[in-house]
Amino acid sequence: NAGVTQTPKFQVLKTGQSMTLQCAQDMNHEYMSWYRQDPGMGLRLIHYSVGAGITDQGEVPNGYNVSRSTTEDFPLRLLSAAPSQTSVYFCASSTGLAGGRETQYFGPGTRLLVL
Amino acid sequence: GNSVTQMEGPVTLSEEAFLTINCTYTATGYPSLFWYVQYPGEGLQLLLKATKADDKGSNKGFEATYRKETTSFHLEKGSVQVSDSAVYFCALSSISGGYNKLIFGAGTRLAVHP
Repeated sequence: NAGVTQTPKFQVLKTGQSMTLQCAQDMNHEYMSWYRQDPGMGLRLIHYSVGAGITDQGEVPNGYNVSRSTTEDFPLRLLSAAPSQTSVYFCASSTGLAGGRETQYFGPGTRLLVL
Repeated sequence: GNSVTQMEGPVTLSEEAFLTINCTYTATGYPSLFWYVQYPGEGLQLLLKATKADDKGSNKGFEATYRKETTSFHLEKGSVQVSDSAVYFCALSSISGGYNKLIFGAGTRLAVHP
């Protein structure tokens, strides 16, 4: 198993550009999520999905879109990049079967710099 | 709302020293509690967890006990190694819109020197 994979590892964007961060998992997990990590703030939930075709907003969804057409993939789209979106982005997945007790599995992260 | 507070770092220790990283939480109900670790250049991985009061989670020599009376989940290790240098995140599970999301503390960076 590759686990959770993310591409790219690093990206530089100019303000106003759009891009898609890719996330895939091969563990047949129903639950997937995107977090952003900023210094001194831990990780904050952007969007999440409880299964193919079902997505919802987390704490900091503004400026981001998601879709979930398959169980395996959960891309995150930046519509018009802003410097405030400079961050490290982590994708995570879990079974969703243990009522909050389950482990979340994280990808290696995408470091994004918006100029 | 639910929240997690953990001690600020960085924490700098010599090899074989005793480690404590404090974590306290605010939550309604009885959340599960977690410690995740992030090694340099990597994603987060689960270190240990506890799912009910008085449970002790343990892994790789690390331990933490779910203390409901003090709303705490402090991480401890008796003898740290250089390889333990990483950022440690305390987290709790919170159900929102049918999804079990994690609420993280700010993270504590640990540096262990030989």
